[in-house]
Order: sequence, then structure tokens, then C-alpha cells
Amino acid sequence: AQSVTQLDSHVSVSEGTPVLLRCNYSSSYSPSLFWYVQHPNKGLQLLLKYTSAATLVKGINGFEAEFKKSETSFHLTKPSAHMSDAAEYFCVVSELEGSYIPTFGRGTSLIVHP
Amino acid sequence: GAGVSQTPSNKVTEKGKYVELRCDPISGHTALYWYRQSLGQGPEFLIYFQGTGAADDSGLPNDRFFAVRPEGSVSTLKIQRTERGDSAMYLCASSLDSGTRYNEQFFGPGTRLTVL
Repeated sequence: AQSVTQLDSHVSVSEGTPVLLRCNYSSSYSPSLFWYVQHPNKGLQLLLKYTSAATLVKGINGFEAEFKKSETSFHLTKPSAHMSDAAEYFCVVSELEGSYIPTFGRGTSLIVHP
Repeated sequence: GAGVSQTPSNKVTEKGKYVELRCDPISGHTALYWYRQSLGQGPEFLIYFQGTGAADDSGLPNDRFFAVRPEGSVSTLKIQRTERGDSAMYLCASSLDSGTRYNEQFFGPGTRLTVL
């Protein structure tokens, strides 16, 4: 069975400061892990994905995430927030064996203050 | 090229009515997924198609929900005898295939269903 927990429902940062969105997962098999972003009135867009290659994954718009098996975590980071980063972010887990159906976290709303 | 499109963008209906939600995937994508997203929640899997067949419909909440993809392209999600609890955003996504790993899914903008 697979599950994902996004530890914060809301994260508030100032423009230009670092961003950290936390995600912990549970998986019976080797997982694939993803971060998607959802801007208001827009479709979900893939930010980055981990599929058992390098543990540090770089995505679009300066985001990156590190897969830590020992901590079952896949936190999303960005060195410097931009106003345009304000959106809903979803952590997603899918097992490479067994079910290929992805499980989404509940989402973290990122608020960026000027 | 064109992304995933969904029609209508908004649908308001009365309790007990029948509704159809349409999804046009990216051309050439064999896998198609339907999700339901309630306010403040992440997308919840409903059903996925590999080609014309429903490969996994374990997420459909009950037998009022049904989906088809007769020619392996456009898909229609059908909801009978709608209830107020069916109100949500319905998302469609497509990907190249499901295969042995989870490929990137491309999402449509969704259809917001409101049942009065």
C-alpha cells in the first residue's frame, strides 16, 4: 500500500526567501515520487519526478527535491521564492511494482508575500 | 501542440439528473485517467484507461459513475442520479502509457460540477 503525507497545509514566505514544502511517503515497493503544481484555474503541471535514478532531482522554475529513503521523505525546496510561485503544490507517490495508480497528498498552499 | 481539454468547464445540475463530462487527451497518449478533487483535497483517482479498455476502475465510488473511451481517444465520464456530494472538480489526465512505471501525466483544466 502507498500513501503520502504533506505535513503543512499552508506555507507562507516572503519573496526572495527559501521555500520548503514537506512530504513524507509510505510504499511497499520502490516508489516513484512527484511534485505537481496547480495554479488557480490552471491544470496541474509536473515540477519534477524521482524514479530511482539520482536522489537529488532538479525540476522546472528552480525547484528541486531530495529523495531520502531512510527518512521516507521527498521535500521540495527552492532557494528564493518568487511571487509567481504562489500556488497549490501536491506530492504524489506511485509504486514501480504493484499498483500504478498514483496517490496524491492533500496539497500545500504556498503563499508568497512581497 | 494542444494539451488535454475538458468540456464543459463548469456544469451546474439538479440533484437526480444525469451528467456527462468529456475529456480530449493529447493525441497519441494511450493512457487516460479521471480524478475527482474536492475543495482543499488532492485529486482522488477514479478510473484509468489503457487504450479503449478500463484497466482499473477501483476508484469509482459507486455504480452511478461510469466512464467510456470507445475509440481509445476521447473519454466521457457519466454520472447518473447526481447527488449533492458529487459536487467537485473532475480532472482528466493523459500519458504516453502506464507500462511498468508512472509516466508524467498531463492534466486538463478540469470540469467543476455543482449539484444543487
